[in-house]
Amino acid sequence: GAVVSQHPSWVICKSGTSVKIECRSLDFQATTMFWYRQFPKQSLMLMATSNEGSKATYEQGVEKDKFLINHASLTLSTLTVTSAHPEDSSFYICSALNPLRRRYQPQHFGDGTRLSIL
Amino acid sequence: DQQVKQNSPSLSVQEGRISILNCDYTNSMFDYFLWYKKYPAEGPTFLISISSIKDKNEDGRFTVFLNKSAKHLSLHIVPSQPGDSAVYFCAARGNAGGTSYGKLTFGQGTILTVHP
Repeated sequence: GAVVSQHPSWVICKSGTSVKIECRSLDFQATTMFWYRQFPKQSLMLMATSNEGSKATYEQGVEKDKFLINHASLTLSTLTVTSAHPEDSSFYICSALNPLRRRYQPQHFGDGTRLSIL
Repeated sequence: DQQVKQNSPSLSVQEGRISILNCDYTNSMFDYFLWYKKYPAEGPTFLISISSIKDKNEDGRFTVFLNKSAKHLSLHIVPSQPGDSAVYFCAARGNAGGTSYGKLTFGQGTILTVHP
């Protein structure tokens, strides 16, 4: 089955640090990837849609200058949390969509990144 | 505006019995519904899906039912096993095209506990 790899799985860093999270589609070329955020005991909230070769589409209320998304290749999307602060601490999850079979195909998720800002 | 709702935060069932997880939605433009299973500190794992043109889809122990008129779907797990204990999310996809094609709206999740 499809595999999506997300790295790192856990990050602890000081306030003010920028953190980059990678999302790789391992066995298909994903023109579209999605970035979600989950707070404890809450649902997954879509942050942005990452499209290869074009700008990401951000959901309402998500600061594009705070959460930089780059989708430079068909297998890699990155999310950079710039100048992270404690309120950015959360669980970030990416997913990928197979463009060749997307009509009735599910998104495949990475294992997520636990970000803790001290 | 919560377009996808799972009104039961938790469900507890005995091993071997049926688990029924429910999900309601408000947006009639959703054309595809999915159920995901999630363990703590892991990403969701796809379980089963159903398109809006169907009312039932079955895969082994898992069956999803869709009632479009009621805007309601449910996931049946039978027989339930202790390994099924996890958080279950329903998700819905709109049929809009463009660069946001395929984006999912998730419910809040239901914690299923299956007791031996």
